[in-house]
Order: sequence, then C-alpha cells, then structure tokens
Amino acid sequence: EVQLVQSGTEVKNPGESLKISCQGSGYSFDNYWIAWVRQMPGKGLEWMGIIYPRDSDTRYSPSFRGQVTISADKSISTAYLQWSTLKASDTGTYFCMRLYGSWLQFGDYWGQGTLVTVSS
Amino acid sequence: QAVVTQEPSLTVSPGGTVTLTCGSSTGTVTSGHYPYWFQQKPGQAPRTLFYDTNNKHSWTPARFSGSLLGGKAALTLSGAQPEDEAVYYCLISYSGVWVFGGGTKLTVL
Repeated sequence: EVQLVQSGTEVKNPGESLKISCQGSGYSFDNYWIAWVRQMPGKGLEWMGIIYPRDSDTRYSPSFRGQVTISADKSISTAYLQWSTLKASDTGTYFCMRLYGSWLQFGDYWGQGTLVTVSS
Repeated sequence: QAVVTQEPSLTVSPGGTVTLTCGSSTGTVTSGHYPYWFQQKPGQAPRTLFYDTNNKHSWTPARFSGSLLGGKAALTLSGAQPEDEAVYYCLISYSGVWVFGGGTKLTVL
C-alpha cells in the first residue's frame, strides 16, 4: 500500500527554524517526484515546489524560491521542507504529494498534512 | 505568474449535474497543461480525482468526469450525492511551473 506519512504538528516562534518531513512507503521512493503544497488557514492550495529524490533535482515555484528549502534523503525514503527563519505568515498546513511522468502529468497520493503554527 | 480561475462556488441538487471549470489567464487550457482535479473535504487532505485532463484513479467515483470544454478544463459531476459536497481544485502546468486554481466550493442542496 502506497503511503505518504508526514511529521506532526509544529508550534514555533517567529525567527525559529523548522524542518518537516514526508516519508513514502509501499513504492520505490526515488522513482517518483514529491511536491510540497501550502494551505494557509481558510485558503486554497498553493504549489511550492518539487523534488526528485533520485538525484535531488529541485524546482521551486517563483513565489516560494528563496523562502523555503526542499530536500530529500532517498536512503530513508523521506522528503523535507525547511525554513531557516519562520514568519507568522508561514502558518498553515503543508501537504506532500507524489507525482511521476515526463511532464509530472501523473499524480496520485497525498500525505495527511502537517500543521505549522508560527506565533509569539 | 499566470492565474488559474475557477468558479468560487456552485450549488447542485442531489441527483443533478454540474460542471466546474478551470481557466487560464494566458488563454486556452489544452491537454499540454496536463490539468488535474482534486477534491478536498473539511479537515482532510486533498484527494486526486483526475490527472492529465481525464484520467481517473481507482478511487474516483464514476459519476465524475474530466474534460476540456470551451477552452477550459472541466470537471463534470452527474448524479450528485451529498458526499460530493467539498472544495474542488484544479492544477495546471505552464511548461513545468504548476499553478492551482482558487478552488470551487460545491454545495449539494
């Protein structure tokens, strides 16, 4: 059974750093792209970026480039989303999603989401 | 960055038919935009209904269909059920830059 399991809820202060994770199981992790998607409270979905764990090829949405870092450790089938300096506006739920295909045209499973709250 | 537009809200009667659309600020949505459709219910992760315009997953109810219609991507629900009440998002690719639509809140009433 394919699963993407994300790390748990985080509560952080502004200025702190954070790294959340998305662990894949039930499939060959390094053969599929992992996307990260943000959902701010009460708002829609926003595409942040993607990574191909096999070679760590990473592509960011222009809106998120320089704001976050996406990485992966294929040895433990895990992708990461990282902030070096959190802001209150980073509050939201973050989802990972699996995709594949030359144009990423095949997407299927999602993680359960990680709620990140940044507040003083 | 391109803007992807969806109806903010739609209402359908139980058993009725409704079409949700997904347009692009750059012009016609084509198969080359590889449109996706997702369903999200309150407090849940999104679920992928369609990929690459009209390809459904094993979990996608047969009453849903994906297509291109009038220069937009379209999601049609035929025979709406109460459990179809949700927010539906489209996602399209602009040569590898992916952009979500704002979502359509579908009410079954």
